[in-house]
Amino acid sequence: AQTVTQSQPEMSVQEAETVTLSCTYDTSESNYYLFWYKQPPSRQMILVIRQEAYKQQNATENRFSVNFQKAAKSFSLKISDSQLGDTAMYFCAFMRNFNKFYFGSGTKLNVKP
Amino acid sequence: NAGVTQTPKFQVLKTGQSMTLQCAQDMNHEYMSWYRQDPGMGLRLIHYSVGAGITDQGEVPNGYNVSRSTTEDFPLRLLSAAPSQTSVYFCASSSRDRASDEKLFFGSGTQLSVL
Repeated sequence: AQTVTQSQPEMSVQEAETVTLSCTYDTSESNYYLFWYKQPPSRQMILVIRQEAYKQQNATENRFSVNFQKAAKSFSLKISDSQLGDTAMYFCAFMRNFNKFYFGSGTKLNVKP
Repeated sequence: NAGVTQTPKFQVLKTGQSMTLQCAQDMNHEYMSWYRQDPGMGLRLIHYSVGAGITDQGEVPNGYNVSRSTTEDFPLRLLSAAPSQTSVYFCASSSRDRASDEKLFFGSGTQLSVL
């Protein structure tokens, strides 16, 4: 089975600063996808960013970027210019075969004014 | 485009009762799945389906049944509710037909309490 580990249960950051959330995973697969999902208090699951394992280039979506280290099986999320609306639970997820997603335990991010 | 519609949003059951959580998607996705979310454990896969008539077990299938008679619908049945099934349940769909669909589309979730 695949495992996804998020070692930071909770983090805080000041508004406008940068924060990095960590994620490691374990797999023997060579082709897979990695995701970061955001869950605000509304409970809705929102896709933040996606990375395909065969792509060397790190994915970027506006203020969100990843540091994908395939050999180290690491997939961290960097949030630049943090905003109050970024306050949420963040889940790292691993997918292969499009039908099985494996999630980490989540990191609760608190952006302080 | 409604996406993934999941009902009900909240439900309280007594131990031993049965119920069905409904899930429907209108995106013609072949893949559908059910997850439960518990504090400190992230989301765990209960059951999944790769197409109409095909279902399989995920990580935590015990106490749950599913069926997929159509592409659109994927209900989750609790056969005899137990307090350990108190959780938030999410239905999700995905597809490999379009690059934009190669991700999970989630329903709004169901908060289930079993007393």
